[in-house]
Amino acid sequence: DTEVTQTPKHLVMGMTNKKSLKCEQHMGHRAMYWYKQKAKKPPELMFVYSYEKLSINESVPSRFSPECPNSSLLNLHLHALQPEDSALYLCASSRTVSGGPYEQYFGPGTRLTVT
Amino acid sequence: AQSVTQPDIHITVSEGASLELRCNYSYGATPYLFWYVQSPGQGLQLLLKYFSGDTLVQGIKGFEAEFKRSQSSFNLRKPSVHWSDAAEYFCAVGPSPGGYQKVTFGTGTKLQVIP
Repeated sequence: DTEVTQTPKHLVMGMTNKKSLKCEQHMGHRAMYWYKQKAKKPPELMFVYSYEKLSINESVPSRFSPECPNSSLLNLHLHALQPEDSALYLCASSRTVSGGPYEQYFGPGTRLTVT
Repeated sequence: AQSVTQPDIHITVSEGASLELRCNYSYGATPYLFWYVQSPGQGLQLLLKYFSGDTLVQGIKGFEAEFKRSQSSFNLRKPSVHWSDAAEYFCAVGPSPGGYQKVTFGTGTKLQVIP
């Protein structure tokens, strides 16, 4: 099973709302990623978690707050977003971040619209 | 720094015709190379990967790619395109010199298939 699941599929939120995106994998992977993808662009890396610890933060604004409660679950908490944050948010996982090489497996994404 | 160039933004082919999507990379060492496909509004699906060994790599859905070190290329091919192959294709190279599983994506090639 190489499935990464993401919920919700679509999310519309106002600029004062607080919401969360959820990602889950059951492949035993110990690295998980959040990407942001704007239309007609490649994915941009936001965060990398390795063994439930934050390894990379690509200078993402603090209105995005990641969380990795356990090795299978990754959340992205959203607060006070701006309309320009509207995008497809993709979660991915890989076996680890060191050694390897290991490919990343992507979820279907959450389409976020900020109004 | 590593980089990936996909020179063709948009390609149109007839159903049943052959396909070649170009990818050129810049990387200081032996690269790890990937091709991903993305249907509209969906996540990325791994088509194939090259880590080492045989330079002709077979993937899913009848795709193959050839690693040519002398040309810094990793072109994707398919002998006969189906209408369902219409999608965005991303070439990627990794990992970053820091050793994390951080891949660099090309800007993508949009494939249109006409009857």
